[in-house]
Amino acid sequence: AQTVTQSQPEMSVQEAETVTLSCTYDTSESDYYLFWYKQPPSRQMILVIRQEAYKQQNATENRFSVNFQKAAKSFSLKISDSQLGDAAMYFCAYRSAGNTGKLIFGQGTTLQVKP
Amino acid sequence: DAGVIQSPRHEVTEMGQEVTLRCKPISGHNSLFWYRQTMMRGLELLIYFNNNVPIDDSGMPEDRFSAKMPNASFSTLKIQPSEPRDSAVYFCASSPDRVGGNTIYFGEGSWLTVV
Repeated sequence: AQTVTQSQPEMSVQEAETVTLSCTYDTSESDYYLFWYKQPPSRQMILVIRQEAYKQQNATENRFSVNFQKAAKSFSLKISDSQLGDAAMYFCAYRSAGNTGKLIFGQGTTLQVKP
Repeated sequence: DAGVIQSPRHEVTEMGQEVTLRCKPISGHNSLFWYRQTMMRGLELLIYFNNNVPIDDSGMPEDRFSAKMPNASFSTLKIQPSEPRDSAVYFCASSPDRVGGNTIYFGEGSWLTVV
């Protein structure tokens, strides 16, 4: 069975600085998708970024980028130029390539942004 | 395009009462998921459907929980009778069922409090 681990329960960053959130996963599959979701206090789950395992190039969405290391089964999220609105809980998630696969979440990392 | 729509957004009910949560997935999406989020257990998959058929209900806690998807645009999650330990945020999510369409989109959640 696949597992996702986020070893940092809490992180903090100064506004305008850069922060990296860690995520590791375990799977025997070769084809899968990885995601980062943001959950602000409103509790809505917002997709931040996604990565296809077959792509070597790291995904980027504006200030958000990932460092995908397939061999190490590592998928970290880098937030550049942190903003107060980035404060939230961030979840790393895994999904098998089969379209009907379920999303498996890590425990989450709470990010605090200090003004 | 409208996102996943859930109702009610908030529900407070007394122990023993029946609770029905409703979900309208994004039009054209073939997969629908019900997740539960609590502080203790994080995000748990309760059940998911593909083309209106339940594929995996192993996460459904017990017989008090039931879920239906009578058509492609509607699903319900019912708890009968409800208990205080059912208090949680319940998310409905949907995903398109096509190559590359592996992103799962979440509704805003239904906050359930059982007193």
